[in-house]
Amino acid sequence: KQEVTQIPAALSVPEGENLVLNCSFTDSAIYNLQWFRQDPGKGLTSLLLIQSSQREQTSGRLNASLDKSSGRSTLYIAASQPGDSATYLCAVPSGSARQLTFGSGTQLTVLP
Amino acid sequence: NAGVTQTPKFQVLKTGQSMTLQCAQDMNHNSMYWYRQDPGMGLRLIYYSASEGTTDKGEVPNGYNVSRLNKREFSLRLESAAPSQTSVYFCASSEKWVAGPGELFFGEGSRLTVL
Repeated sequence: KQEVTQIPAALSVPEGENLVLNCSFTDSAIYNLQWFRQDPGKGLTSLLLIQSSQREQTSGRLNASLDKSSGRSTLYIAASQPGDSATYLCAVPSGSARQLTFGSGTQLTVLP
Repeated sequence: NAGVTQTPKFQVLKTGQSMTLQCAQDMNHNSMYWYRQDPGMGLRLIYYSASEGTTDKGEVPNGYNVSRLNKREFSLRLESAAPSQTSVYFCASSEKWVAGPGELFFGEGSRLTVL
């Protein structure tokens, strides 16, 4: 069974800092990995989708990397802003590829 | 752009009552999903519909039924609500099913409390 772990569970940083969020998964036979953002009381917003053939995907100040062999992905946020405060979740397909398995998320607070 | 729309946003039920959560997407997506999100349990798939006319069970289907009414709409029904079904329910959609779900787009959620 696919298991997804996100460390740390919570992170607080001052504005302007560059930061890295981590996601690890147990079954490396995945065909993609997705990063989401969730604001309090809201739904999930897709940030980046990395296909298994890609090593990186970038969108604005966000950069996600994928290392299938080690079962790890990182989300890099450059020049963090208070508006980046949210919970960030990663998700990968399960071994059967019939559903996604989500991590429990990293709650990020960017202090002004 | 409406994206994925869920109704109602909030609902309080008594044990044993029934209700249906409605979901509609306007992105012409083929696949639709229902998840529940609980503290400490994360997001778990209840049911999904890979394409119009098909539905399949996810990780936690017990106590729920679904209907893929047409390509746009996917409803979730609780026939006899239980306190354990108190949760936040999310509908999601993806453009296509290629060996599994593609990029997911979520609704804002429906917050259900069962007393």
